[in-house]
Amino acid sequence: EAGVTQFPSHSVIEKGQTVTLRCDPISGHDNLYWYRRVMGKEIKFLLHFVKESKQDESGMPNNRFLAERTGGTYSTLKVQPAELEDSGVYFCASSQGGGYTFGSGTRLTVV
Amino acid sequence: DAKTTQPPSMDCAEGRAANLPCNHSTISGNEYVYWYRQIHSQGPQYIIHGLKNNETNEMASLIITEDRKSSTLILPHATLRDTAVYYCIVRVPFVLQGGSEKLVFGKGTKLTVNP
Repeated sequence: EAGVTQFPSHSVIEKGQTVTLRCDPISGHDNLYWYRRVMGKEIKFLLHFVKESKQDESGMPNNRFLAERTGGTYSTLKVQPAELEDSGVYFCASSQGGGYTFGSGTRLTVV
Repeated sequence: DAKTTQPPSMDCAEGRAANLPCNHSTISGNEYVYWYRQIHSQGPQYIIHGLKNNETNEMASLIITEDRKSSTLILPHATLRDTAVYYCIVRVPFVLQGGSEKLVFGKGTKLTVNP
């Protein structure tokens, strides 16, 4: 079975630009999560989808971040406009009643 | 905030058992203990979880004290590839009323396996 796929693996953008990260969960997994680790900090929860619905978005830092999961399959996380403090690694994970499976992450660098 | 406390770092000799402790003195009755690890810059990897009984799988063993206030992850024969940051997390494993599906990561334990 294919794992959780994230792309791009790396992204370097300038402050003020827009970036869209994509996550393809394991096929059939209803639960999809976004996490991130910014420099020197712990991994932090961003939000949780159940199918196409946002179950918990308490971790979203501000309204520059927009997550979608149209059709309940893949998800996108858009940062617009990006700021320097958004640099870090963004992880996606999926689950279906069991343990999480994480993707390898997208390393975002805002310069 | 994370509900667990772990030592920041540990060393282990290759081939020996690695015993990673975790304190979770405020754990609730319906919370499980989960262990994940992160190898270098990869995504976190699930290792094992348990409620109150000791658990074993192909990767590791989990020993939970009778009062459930602490636990130990055991890697029986550590290899160089086990060098990673290990996270102990307590959570409700499925959505109960008022439960949360999210994982709350602490700083973890940086395990270094030496040749």
